[in-house]
Amino acid sequence: DTAVSQTPKYLVTQMGNDKSIKCEQNLGHDTMYWYKQDSKKFLKIMFSYNNKELIINETVPNRFSPKSPDKAHLNLHINSLELGDSAVYFCASSQGPGDGEKLFFGSGTQLSVL
Amino acid sequence: DQQVKQNSPSLSVQEGRISILNCDYTNSMFDYFLWYKKYPAEGPTFLISISSIKDKNEDGRFTVFLNKSAKHLSLHIVPSQPGDSAVYFCAASGNSGGSNYKLTFGKGTLLTVNP
Repeated sequence: DTAVSQTPKYLVTQMGNDKSIKCEQNLGHDTMYWYKQDSKKFLKIMFSYNNKELIINETVPNRFSPKSPDKAHLNLHINSLELGDSAVYFCASSQGPGDGEKLFFGSGTQLSVL
Repeated sequence: DQQVKQNSPSLSVQEGRISILNCDYTNSMFDYFLWYKKYPAEGPTFLISISSIKDKNEDGRFTVFLNKSAKHLSLHIVPSQPGDSAVYFCAASGNSGGSNYKLTFGKGTLLTVNP
């Protein structure tokens, strides 16, 4: 009965391909996020959506496009994958945009671009 | 530009002893600080937080201390247990309860508690 679930857990692909990572939360939260943990282990925010509306976009390349069909889902589509996109991507949610201490994370998607 | 720094990549302690994890920050606009715990192959989970109006917050075996003048916080775990072995992330925010909340994380410290 996972609160924040993301799929797939592992994703291995070739440079230039397009891929998507899906995220769903069953907590009834209004705000969802995508974080990236790079090779240096920093967790950095990429996007945040509140009730399907984009509220944070952290200088992420246009190749990354989040899509929120409803407030329980926030998917991440990546076009023309590059080697530097290899990282662990975490989806997260919170009650609202001001409830950051109560971030609930998914278990992560390990993306490897070859 | 590391605004939140955890200078110790790892820490090893004996079961029953105290674990002290340290974190420094550079942004004076940060006013809310959090610790997250992460097990392998899982996402981070919230552990404890502290507002800048306090200098200490305690929750069971976990206590967070904040020294604003030194821009330093620490997490104390007493007594340490083998199940505490995980990566601990320090995080900070400048929006305590405001809109467009955003956390800035450190690189994490791997804590190993030996039986």
